[in-house]
Amino acid sequence: QVQLEQSGAEVKKPGASVKVSCKASGYTFTSYYIHWVRQAPGQGLEWLGVIDPGDGSTTYAQKFQGRVTMTRDTSTSTVYMETSSLRSEDTAIYYCATVTVTGWDAFDIWGQGTMVTVSA
Amino acid sequence: QSVLTQPPSVSGAPGQRVTISCTGSSSNIGAGYDVHWYQHLPGTAPKLLMYGYNNRPSGVPDRFSGSKFGTSASLAITGLQAEDEADYYCQSYDSSLSGYVFGAGTKVTVL
Repeated sequence: QVQLEQSGAEVKKPGASVKVSCKASGYTFTSYYIHWVRQAPGQGLEWLGVIDPGDGSTTYAQKFQGRVTMTRDTSTSTVYMETSSLRSEDTAIYYCATVTVTGWDAFDIWGQGTMVTVSA
Repeated sequence: QSVLTQPPSVSGAPGQRVTISCTGSSSNIGAGYDVHWYQHLPGTAPKLLMYGYNNRPSGVPDRFSGSKFGTSASLAITGLQAEDEADYYCQSYDSSLSGYVFGAGTKVTVL
């Protein structure tokens, strides 16, 4: 079945960068776009952007343009989300998610989440 | 401040019906973009509950239903059960932001 497996928790200092991975399995990697969503403590869900694993094209939320970079490695069926210039407000659980429901843009498969803590 | 507005909380006794509203604007729900709903329990990944207003993924009970009117959508839970206690989020696409947006979430409490 379709699964997304994310990398483990990270602790970073302000100003540093973090790179979270999301490994896809159970389907043809290039078939579905992969989105990134985060949830800061006590806050709601926030969409960061999306990558097309087929050609690597990306679309980022306006808020994160210039600070978030999404890439993919087709040889390992893995997408990466790198956030630079980290600040305390970036402390959050980061999820990758994909859309397999044909004709809809609903995120039906999610990774387990990666906790990123930004602290001096 | 979220582009999609949800009430912070709703509550009901077991067996009752509760509804959660999601109010948007002409650049998202009112523009005809789909609305989807997610159930989120602490420590777990969000779960797709409803897509395209009133379509349930396999395994989601028919106690959950959705609707849309104008620039708003709503999720109804009938026959409320203790296991329904969770946070619920609506999601759509916004053409002004050129991206996907979520509501701030609604906490459902079963009394």
